[in-house]
Amino acid sequence: GAGVSQSPSNKVTEKGKDVELRCDPISGHTALYWYRQSLGQGLEFLIYFQGNSAPDKSGLPSDRFSAERTGGSVSTLTIQRTQQEDSAVYLCASSYGLAGVNTGELFFGEGSRLTVL
Amino acid sequence: ELKVEQNPLFLSMQEGKNYTIYCNYSTTSDRLYWYRQDPGKSLESLFVLLSNGAVKQEGRLMASLDTKARLSTLHITAAVHDLSATYFCAVDKSGNEKLTFGTGTRLTIIP
Repeated sequence: GAGVSQSPSNKVTEKGKDVELRCDPISGHTALYWYRQSLGQGLEFLIYFQGNSAPDKSGLPSDRFSAERTGGSVSTLTIQRTQQEDSAVYLCASSYGLAGVNTGELFFGEGSRLTVL
Repeated sequence: ELKVEQNPLFLSMQEGKNYTIYCNYSTTSDRLYWYRQDPGKSLESLFVLLSNGAVKQEGRLMASLDTKARLSTLHITAAVHDLSATYFCAVDKSGNEKLTFGTGTRLTIIP
């Protein structure tokens, strides 16, 4: 597609359940990022992929959070045993990374709004 | 640890007026970005500033970067209602490939 695509756009889950959020980056972008935005807050970095590897996982808030990327394209962010404090909008972004002239500009998807009851 | 601060956090201004949003950051960087976010929407890239003294303009918005002062400004000229949004600056600590975002400035333009 033309832009970064995320699904689901909205997810309501019960505390303790696992959720998976999906991101399909812009074709040709080798770098992929996950950020989290809580209500009225700024953006919190979670994890960054270059190709299929994740050189920086420093932002993952706990071991309940994990992410993978396969085929250098689609990424999945998994949250296990969700807690109410996990409620937020999870934003995915992509960039050219090492694929060419890279200004570092990120292109964001519309986000997945997660609500944990 | 890189810290990025914006001020003001909230800005309410009348149409037709000029104002400036400030973005300060704590460590050396020569890459700074401005994004716009409308309520319930994602982030839209506005400006990419890649060197000291860089100045970019688009319509009523102008952004500049002073890497020595570790400061970027977003200047709004003759504000109009459709500029109402939250504006974020973000800094790339050189070579890190990871953007650190400021807290955002919520701008409301009053007719």
